[in-house]
Amino acid sequence: EDKVVQSPLSLVVHEGDTVTLNCSYEVTNFRSLLWYKQEKKAPTFLFMLTSSGIEKKSGRLSSILDKKELFSILNITATQTGDSAVYLCAVEASNYQLIWGAGTKLIIKP
Amino acid sequence: ETGVTQTPRHLVMGMTNKKSLKCEQHLGHNAMYWYKQSAKKPLELMFVYNFKEQTENNSVPSRFSPECPNSSHLFLHLHTLQPEDSALYLCASSQDRRTTSGNTIYFGEGSWLTVV
Repeated sequence: EDKVVQSPLSLVVHEGDTVTLNCSYEVTNFRSLLWYKQEKKAPTFLFMLTSSGIEKKSGRLSSILDKKELFSILNITATQTGDSAVYLCAVEASNYQLIWGAGTKLIIKP
Repeated sequence: ETGVTQTPRHLVMGMTNKKSLKCEQHLGHNAMYWYKQSAKKPLELMFVYNFKEQTENNSVPSRFSPECPNSSHLFLHLHTLQPEDSALYLCASSQDRRTTSGNTIYFGEGSWLTVV
């Protein structure tokens, strides 16, 4: 059965810290991996990863995919209170199904 | 603003009521989705419409009934729901069904449903 597991489920850090969020997967016919940020509203797209070892970067956020070990990480450096959110990982599998993880709830304390 | 608008944002309904959730996208997309999001659980895909045709129904109980009158609008009709149906219902759209073609999926802000 296809599955996506995110860890940790929740994380509390102080402003300025660096955090690493994990997403591991077991999915038939992997096509892509996506990261989303969900504050108390619509999940918003962060990154799409299809190739191993190529870092995607946007400001203080970056992500990389390891297709051999079947995981991705999302890094946030110099965290700010506005980074507090649930971070969702999803993997697109065969038949274009998106398999979602349960999310990591990140809380940034001032 | 993501270009996907959902109404109502909050809904409380009794188990014998009939209500509907509405979704409208202003992005010119051809695929639309209903997801259920419960606390601490992965997003559950409920229904997919591609070019107005329902392409997926993931074993959703018949008390949930989708309707897609055109490629911009999607409804979820609700009747005789159960308390365990209380959740955030998210509508989403994408250019078409395939995300790896460079499309991304855009979400609405969701409708919080409470069944009492």
